[in-house]
Amino acid sequence: EDKVVQSPLSLVVHEGDTVTLNCSYEVTNFRSLLWYKQEKKAPTFLFMLTSSGIEKKSGRLSSILDKKELFSILNITATQTGDSAVYLCAARNTGNQFYFGTGTSLTVIP
Amino acid sequence: DTGVSQNPRHKITKRGQNVTFRCDPISEHNRLYWYRQTLGQGPEFLTYFQNEAQLEKSRLLSDRFSAERPKGSFSTLEIQRTEQGDSAMYLCASSFPDSFANTGELFFGEGSRLTVL
Repeated sequence: EDKVVQSPLSLVVHEGDTVTLNCSYEVTNFRSLLWYKQEKKAPTFLFMLTSSGIEKKSGRLSSILDKKELFSILNITATQTGDSAVYLCAARNTGNQFYFGTGTSLTVIP
Repeated sequence: DTGVSQNPRHKITKRGQNVTFRCDPISEHNRLYWYRQTLGQGPEFLTYFQNEAQLEKSRLLSDRFSAERPKGSFSTLEIQRTEQGDSAMYLCASSFPDSFANTGELFFGEGSRLTVL
């Protein structure tokens, strides 16, 4: 059965801390790994990763994929209260099916 | 607004009633997905269209659920004889055709929240 598992389920940090969110996947005919941020509305796209070892970076956020060990991490440095959200990981297969994890709920305390 | 549009945004219904949700994807997008999300869970796949063809439907999906995309543009999701367990956020997402110019990510609508009493 195809599945995506995220950890931790929730995280509470102070502003300025660095956090690492984990995503492991078991998906047949894997194509790419995507990260989304969900506040109290629709998920918004952060990154798509297709190749191992190549870091994607956007401001304080970065992500990397390991296709051998079947996982990805999302790093957020110098966290801000605006980073508080649920971070979703999704694995896409070659049939354009997207499998989502349960998400990691991040709370950043001022 | 040229994003994915869903309506109604909220629907409260009594158990046993039928409900219908509508999704208008981004106009250039040929793929359209329906997901269901409950509190503390990630989006759960329901069904997927490429143009007007329904290519895949979740095996977990009851026969009470049906979706259409008659002209390859907007889509509707109908739930017949609603049950309390159907209470959830129903998310629609769309994506571009595959090409080197896009990452293939899903663009989500704001969702339609269903409450079954």
